[in-house]
Amino acid sequence: DQQVKQNSPSLSVQEGRISILNCDYTNSMFDYFLWYKKYPAEGPTFLISISSIKDKNEDGRFTVFLNKSAKHLSLHIVPSQPGDSAVYFCAAQREYGNKLVFGAGTILRVKS
Amino acid sequence: EAGVAQSPRYKIIEKRQSVAFWCNPISGHATLYWYQQILGQGPKLLIQFQNNGVVDDSQLPKDRFSAERLKGVDSTLKIQPAKLEDSAVYLCASSPEAGAGANVLTFGAGSRLTVL
Repeated sequence: DQQVKQNSPSLSVQEGRISILNCDYTNSMFDYFLWYKKYPAEGPTFLISISSIKDKNEDGRFTVFLNKSAKHLSLHIVPSQPGDSAVYFCAAQREYGNKLVFGAGTILRVKS
Repeated sequence: EAGVAQSPRYKIIEKRQSVAFWCNPISGHATLYWYQQILGQGPKLLIQFQNNGVVDDSQLPKDRFSAERLKGVDSTLKIQPAKLEDSAVYLCASSPEAGAGANVLTFGAGSRLTVL
């Protein structure tokens, strides 16, 4: 039962351009959505989050958009940098402080 | 602040052997999680502790996996006997009980298990 889906296994983007990573979910009870970044041989690190009462949250080069009616969220990275090359996981949470349910991840490659 | 510590980083065992992983969460974090990440998949929750009590272990294969968090601080995850399909990275994470940031889990670097 995949409640959180990241349908693009990989994405390749030129340095300086926009990276858009997508995520879909099925459970309308999710209250919070988080994005994590993971480098090889390291644990996932928190990047940005959004509450279900908002439709946009911005932090520097990173912006997350939430479309509740479509049960869809996206992470925009502008401008993309080679150091952004990593696996990006979308995660959802039913209650504040509860467990995270993760998608399968998208590998982002930023070419210089 | 010190991060989430995990050991060992790598472990290779043969099937039917046993293995144990250790985790020390961020100081003061009441909630501790063990996740299993199989190659090509997202992390999947095995067990969640609140202090030293179990909150969610619905996806823990209890016939072979066990976990404990004595004294509400560090935790041990054990697999006995191991199967080939247990090959994965075992991630430990922690979060504060309440307040700002309580919904953000901080992960350790993980323990990579290979079962031959």
